[in-house]
Amino acid sequence: GAVVSQHPSRVICKSGTSVKIECRSLDFQATTMFWYRQFPKQSLMLMATSNEGSKATYEQGVEKDKFLINHASLTLSTLTVTSAHPEDSSFYICSAQGTENTGELFFGEGSRLTVL
Amino acid sequence: SQQGEEDPQALSIQEGENATMNCSYKTSINNLQWYRQNSGRGLVHLILIRSNEREKHSGRLRVTLDTSKKSSSLLITASRAADTASYFCATEYTGGGNKLTFGTGTQLKVEL
Repeated sequence: GAVVSQHPSRVICKSGTSVKIECRSLDFQATTMFWYRQFPKQSLMLMATSNEGSKATYEQGVEKDKFLINHASLTLSTLTVTSAHPEDSSFYICSAQGTENTGELFFGEGSRLTVL
Repeated sequence: SQQGEEDPQALSIQEGENATMNCSYKTSINNLQWYRQNSGRGLVHLILIRSNEREKHSGRLRVTLDTSKKSSSLLITASRAADTASYFCATEYTGGGNKLTFGTGTQLKVEL
C-alpha cells in the first residue's frame, strides 16, 4: 500500500525558532497533500492543502506567514512553523492523495512539536 | 463549521463484544470514510463508502450510510484488545475539492 513518511516524529524547540516538518510519499506520486493539526484528544483540523508546483491553499484562520508550506516535488511537501511559540505546540499530521484519486488519504505518522 | 460529530465520545467494552460508533454530518457528501488512530500515531484508513452506497463490509467492519439522515455507523464485530484506538469519520463534502473534514472521534477501549 501507499506509504507516507513524516519527519521528524518529535521535535522540541525554543520560542522564536523555526521548525521544518517533511512529508514524503515513498512509493507513489502525490499531486496533493494535506496538513492537519491535532490537539490532545481532539479531532484533526485541516490547516492547508498543498499542491505540487503551486501555492498552498490555507483554511480560514490559518496564518500562511506563520505556517509556510512548500510542495516542491511530487513526493515532498514541507511545513515550516516560523517563529514558533508555545501555543504552536501540537501534533501535526500530513496526508497525501494517491494518483488513483479514490478519495482515500494516506497519512504520515505525525510530528509532535513542543515549543518551550 | 462543517465538522461532523461522533457518538459516543468514549466507549468501553469487553473483548468479544461488538462496538458501534455513529457519525453525523451536515451537508451533501461525495463519500464518507472511517479512520483509526492509535495514540500518538498517524491515521489508518479503514473503509470508504460512497454517497450512493448504503452498506459496506470489510472483515470485521460494517459501515452503513444514511444520506437522508446524514449519518453513518461503524460496527466492529467480535472486538479484540488490539482494536483499542480512536476512530474518526471523515467526509468529503460535495464541492469541497477532495478535502476531508473529520468528526470529533470515538475513543474505543476493549478490555480483556
